[in-house]
Amino acid sequence: AQSVAQPEDQVNVAEGNPLTVKCTYSVSGNPYLFWYVQYPNRGLQFLLKYITGDNLVKGSYGFEAEFNKSQTSFHLKKPSALVSDSALYFCAVRALNSGNTPLVFGKGTRLSVIA
Amino acid sequence: DGGITQSPKYLFRKEGQNVTLSCEQNLNHDAMYWYRQDPGQGLRLIYYSQIVNDFQKGDIAEGYSVSREKKESFPLTVTSAQKNPTAFYLCATTPLTGPGDYGYTFGSGTRLTVV
Repeated sequence: AQSVAQPEDQVNVAEGNPLTVKCTYSVSGNPYLFWYVQYPNRGLQFLLKYITGDNLVKGSYGFEAEFNKSQTSFHLKKPSALVSDSALYFCAVRALNSGNTPLVFGKGTRLSVIA
Repeated sequence: DGGITQSPKYLFRKEGQNVTLSCEQNLNHDAMYWYRQDPGQGLRLIYYSQIVNDFQKGDIAEGYSVSREKKESFPLTVTSAQKNPTAFYLCATTPLTGPGDYGYTFGSGTRLTVV
């Protein structure tokens, strides 16, 4: 079975400071990993994905994520947070060769960037 | 969002009433999904369809029904059997063929409230 854990319900960071939003996963075989962002009363927007290759993935709005196979983690990072980054962030996973089974999402982490 | 139209944006349901949420896409994507979002619970899969006239139950299908009579449309009916339907409902799509794997494109959601 596939699963995703986002251990923090809320992350607070000062504007200009680096931010990290944590994600760990469990799948059989190699994972296919995503980060999405959601603003209030909106759908989810794609930020970045990891399939294979470089462990550091760069995405939209200056975000990046680091895939760590030994720790089964895919933490989202940004070197300098903006107030406009405040939103709800979701990590999602499925097994790479799972025949198009649906993505499994974490419970989300609310990021609050304080000016 | 991105070629997916969910309507209505807000919907109010009386006790014992069936209501239908619309999801239409012009992306020519093969697969369509319905997720339910509740605070602190992330996204939970209700139903999905990978081909016209076929669909599968997700994790929380009880009290819901769907149809996929054409590729562009995947309506969700919330029946009176769903005892706690108040939630934010998200429709998503993805292509199943072609190079790479693009993840999901989400609609902007329908907020359903029981009155």
